Amino acid sequence: GESVGLHLPTLSVQEGDNSIINCAYSNSASDYFIWYKQESGKGPQFIIDIRSNMDKRQGQRVTVLLNKTVKHLSLQIAATQPGDSAVYFCAERGGANNLFFGTGTRLTVIP
Amino acid sequence: EAEVAQSPRYKITEKSQAVAFWCDPISGHATLYWYRQILGQGPELLVQFQDESVVDDSQLPKDRFSAERLKGVDSTLKIQPAELGDSAMYLCASSLFRLAGDEQFFGPGTRLTVL
Repeated sequence: GESVGLHLPTLSVQEGDNSIINCAYSNSASDYFIWYKQESGKGPQFIIDIRSNMDKRQGQRVTVLLNKTVKHLSLQIAATQPGDSAVYFCAERGGANNLFFGTGTRLTVIP
Repeated sequence: EAEVAQSPRYKITEKSQAVAFWCDPISGHATLYWYRQILGQGPELLVQFQDESVVDDSQLPKDRFSAERLKGVDSTLKIQPAELGDSAMYLCASSLFRLAGDEQFFGPGTRLTVL
């Protein structure tokens, strides 16, 4: 089965700095990855996705990088704000559109 | 903006009791998912519906868990009897179809505590 894991369980950054959250996956056949943000007491919220035929995708203040050689992806958040404090999950999508989530990284933004 | 609705938001029960959770997906979404999220971990899929049909329940503990989506719209997840290890957040999500790349929208979840 798929296994998606994160390198760091917690990350603290100063407001205004850039944040980088990392994720490793084990299924080399995975072709679609998503980053979710989960605030306390809420369900996961889609941030950005990337297909395996890409190595980089940018959104508003966020960038996802995919390295298929080492089965690693990262989420970069530019100019981190207090509202970015949350738990971030990477997930890979199975063939039936079901999701396999990693453990999560808690991001804390220090004002 | 359309959202996935879940109720109750919180449920406390004693072990061996029965509990039920309700989910109303975004209107028009054919696919509905139930996930379980243990504290400190990522969500894990329990069951996936396409309209009223179950398409994946391989991770659903069928001796105590059941799920239905009779009319292909809202859904109910039941646990009977509840065990201590069932304490978790139960999340419902929906997507328009079940194609790869079809975004899943999550509800706020039901936090279950089994005493």
